[in-house]
Amino acid sequence: SQQGEEDPQALSIQEGENATMNCSYKTSINNLQWYRQNSGRGLVHLILIRSNEREKHSGRLRVTLDTSKKSSSLLITASRAADTASYFCATDEGGSRLTFGEGTQLTVNP
Amino acid sequence: GAGVSQSPSNKVTEKGKDVELRCDPISGHTALYWYRQRLGQGLEFLIYFQGNSAPDKSGLPSDRFSAERTGESVSTLTIQRTQQEDSAVYLCASSPHVNADTQYFGPGTRLTVL
Repeated sequence: SQQGEEDPQALSIQEGENATMNCSYKTSINNLQWYRQNSGRGLVHLILIRSNEREKHSGRLRVTLDTSKKSSSLLITASRAADTASYFCATDEGGSRLTFGEGTQLTVNP
Repeated sequence: GAGVSQSPSNKVTEKGKDVELRCDPISGHTALYWYRQRLGQGLEFLIYFQGNSAPDKSGLPSDRFSAERTGESVSTLTIQRTQQEDSAVYLCASSPHVNADTQYFGPGTRLTVL
């Protein structure tokens, strides 16, 4: 079963707007990662936040982590049509595997 | 350098047939992972390799699924007696070692069982 749960399941915004996606998880983690997937194929790693970090930035991406609430958010600022994709959070619980959520489908309309 | 490659990119098979899916990891990556992604869903972990050994096979959904890795390089995921519920995209990823932060994913193999 999936540990992570993202919401919303789908998000549609206009170019230039900000997009926020949320992820919740159930167990203790070493880190939480966000991945992007275009057209249902390979995933691309976007950003990683460790359990002792609260916020991290990378370009137009901002990730927050609240370990007390077991939740994370991914903010994409000044969105572009090219940001249209599915976004997944994945938790590393210290083992060998990543546990992925169900994903948020983001559509950015030109 | 080259990324993770998978073949075939698409596979259509009939129920009951066996299929083999191949993954070529990034050169030098000792850890290799297989995931399954059903339509509209997240990724399910299947199995991982550290070198040629598979310490964790707990994600394999049934005994029809098996995987091997040779030469600390290419890996093959085999599904025997395929069923319609096996239809999914099978994704392979590799990382420099098991505890590495980032996994690098291949483009996946889309399997359709008729």
